[in-house]
Amino acid sequence: KQEVTQIPAALSVPEGENLVLNCSFTDSAIYNLQWFRQDPGKGLTSLLLIQSSQREQTSGRLNASLDKSSGRSTLYIAASQPGDSATYLCAVRPVTASKLTFGTGTRLQVTL
Amino acid sequence: NAGVTQTPKFRILKIGQSMTLQCAQDMNHNYMYWYRQDPGMGLKLIYYSVGAGITDKGEVPNGYNVSRSTTEDFPLRLELAAPSQTSVYFCASSTDRDTEAFFGQGTRLTVV
Repeated sequence: KQEVTQIPAALSVPEGENLVLNCSFTDSAIYNLQWFRQDPGKGLTSLLLIQSSQREQTSGRLNASLDKSSGRSTLYIAASQPGDSATYLCAVRPVTASKLTFGTGTRLQVTL
Repeated sequence: NAGVTQTPKFRILKIGQSMTLQCAQDMNHNYMYWYRQDPGMGLKLIYYSVGAGITDKGEVPNGYNVSRSTTEDFPLRLELAAPSQTSVYFCASSTDRDTEAFFGQGTRLTVV
């Protein structure tokens, strides 16, 4: 059974700092991995999608990497801003199932 | 572009009542999903559909029913609501099983 873990559960950093969020998964047989952002009381916004054949994807200040063989992904946020404060979720799409398996998220707070 | 639209946004139900959560997407996606999100837990799949007329159970289907008569709509029916169904419900869609998933803004349901 695929399990997804995100560490840390919560993180507080000062504005301007670069930071890394971690995601690990137990079964490397995946189609892709997707990072989402969730603001309090809101839906999930897709940030980046990495296919299993890719090593990384970039969008603006965000860079996501994927090491499928070791079951790890990282989301790198450069020059963090207070507006980046949110919960970040990673999810994998197993090849054996038609669904996303989610981690429980990292709650990020960027302080002034 | 509306994307994935869920209605209602909030609802309070009494134990034993029934209701339908509506979900519509305008992206011509084949795959549609219903997830529930409980505090401190990852999103759990309730039901999914790979196309009109085809539905299948996810991890936590008990107490729910779905139908998919059109590509656009995927309503979730709650029969005999119970306090354990208090949760935030998210609808999502994707073109295929290995493509990016898009989520609606969620329906916050409380059963009292």
